[in-house]
Amino acid sequence: GAGVSQSPSNKVTEKGKDVELRCDPISGHTALYWYRQSLGQGLEFLIYFQGNSAPDKSGLPSDRFSAERTGGSVSTLTIQRTQQEDSAVYLCASSWKDGHSYEQYFGPGTRLTVT
Amino acid sequence: GNSVTQMEGPVTLSEEAFLTINCTYTATGYPSLFWYVQYPGEGLQLLLKATKADDKGSNKGFEATYRKETTSFHLEKGSVQVSDSAVYFCALSDPGAGGTSYGKLTFGQGTILTVHP
Repeated sequence: GAGVSQSPSNKVTEKGKDVELRCDPISGHTALYWYRQSLGQGLEFLIYFQGNSAPDKSGLPSDRFSAERTGGSVSTLTIQRTQQEDSAVYLCASSWKDGHSYEQYFGPGTRLTVT
Repeated sequence: GNSVTQMEGPVTLSEEAFLTINCTYTATGYPSLFWYVQYPGEGLQLLLKATKADDKGSNKGFEATYRKETTSFHLEKGSVQVSDSAVYFCALSDPGAGGTSYGKLTFGQGTILTVHP
């Protein structure tokens, strides 16, 4: 079946602009995670969604970052007033159930470059 | 807080050599441990996992044993192939107090493996 998909695959934007990154999880997966992969910070957790529960936003680096998940499926990560330090690969992952032993399936990522 | 430390890379080996990538962790609870792999041009994918002490995860000839006493989860393979060239990430998911965690992963910094023919 189809895996996790993300769009766009690459995004170049000017400093100060807003960007939206999209994630389509695997159908039927209830848990959705966003991570960021950057040279300086490695792979770091950003935000988690599970069903209709309030998301855990504890990993978001600043209030310029926000995310939503509509209808329990597609998720959008929005970065406002982008800065050069936001340049990274943004990864989305989904899991059929949350919990510490369940495999997460990762999308190919969106490479964001802020100039 | 939780953390994962991997051996520094990059690692360069000849085909059929023995591979070890060290991984140690710090966690507040009893975590599950994972190795994820990222092949060139591809996304992260699970290689193997272990969910409790003394469990051995294995896949594609790779193995790792959950050692609670040494808080380690070292990745090993007896004979590497050129196709194993990739970036390897050790990760943990900590259930937290009362098992209320939801699977957030904490990753190590990654180890680049290059295997030459």
